[in-house]
Amino acid sequence: NAGVTQTPKFQVLKTGQSMTLQCAQDMNHEYMSWYRQDPGMGLRLIHYSVGAGITDQGEVPNGYNVSRSTTEDFPLRLLSAAPSQTSVYFCASRMGGGGRSEQYFGPGTRLTVT
Amino acid sequence: AQKITQTQPGMFVQEKEAVTLDCTYDTSDPSYGLFWYKQPSSGEMIFLIYQGSYDQQNATEGRYSLNFQKARKSANLVISASQLGDSAMYFCAMRESWMDSSYKLIFGSGTRLLVRP
Repeated sequence: NAGVTQTPKFQVLKTGQSMTLQCAQDMNHEYMSWYRQDPGMGLRLIHYSVGAGITDQGEVPNGYNVSRSTTEDFPLRLLSAAPSQTSVYFCASRMGGGGRSEQYFGPGTRLTVT
Repeated sequence: AQKITQTQPGMFVQEKEAVTLDCTYDTSDPSYGLFWYKQPSSGEMIFLIYQGSYDQQNATEGRYSLNFQKARKSANLVISASQLGDSAMYFCAMRESWMDSSYKLIFGSGTRLLVRP
């Protein structure tokens, strides 16, 4: 199994450009989410999805859009990149329900906006 | 309001010694879960250990154990017999169980551990 995959691994954008970060999982997980990691701040939730067709905002959603048309894929769209969006982005997935169901993280995408 | 606090930005430990990484949390939900993740310099997030709020015993996974003190709202990670490969960032995270939060992991700011040979 590939687990959670993300593409690209690295990306440089100019201010105002748009792009999509890809995320896919092959574990048939219900929950998927996007986090960003900035130095000294841990990971913060951008958007999440509890199933195909259902998405909602996390802590820091501004400037990002998501959609979930299939169970496997959860792309993150940057509408108009800004230097403040320079960060490392992680996609994660897990089974539904609570308890000890752990999140599986992708390898991350390092994004630089100039 | 920040719900997970890791007060140690960086720590050193001698190889083969034990080290404790601190984590305190704040929640009003009686049912919650606490996680520790390791992030080596390569960047991936590696799940280490989980503690549920109703678990009677402290969680253990190999050289990792969780010192869970519910009344003090602390969930410290103990790494025994440190190895050079333990050098990494360590994140404490919490998930509450009520519906709107059950999908969210709230992370602390992390502790960077350096193991000295």
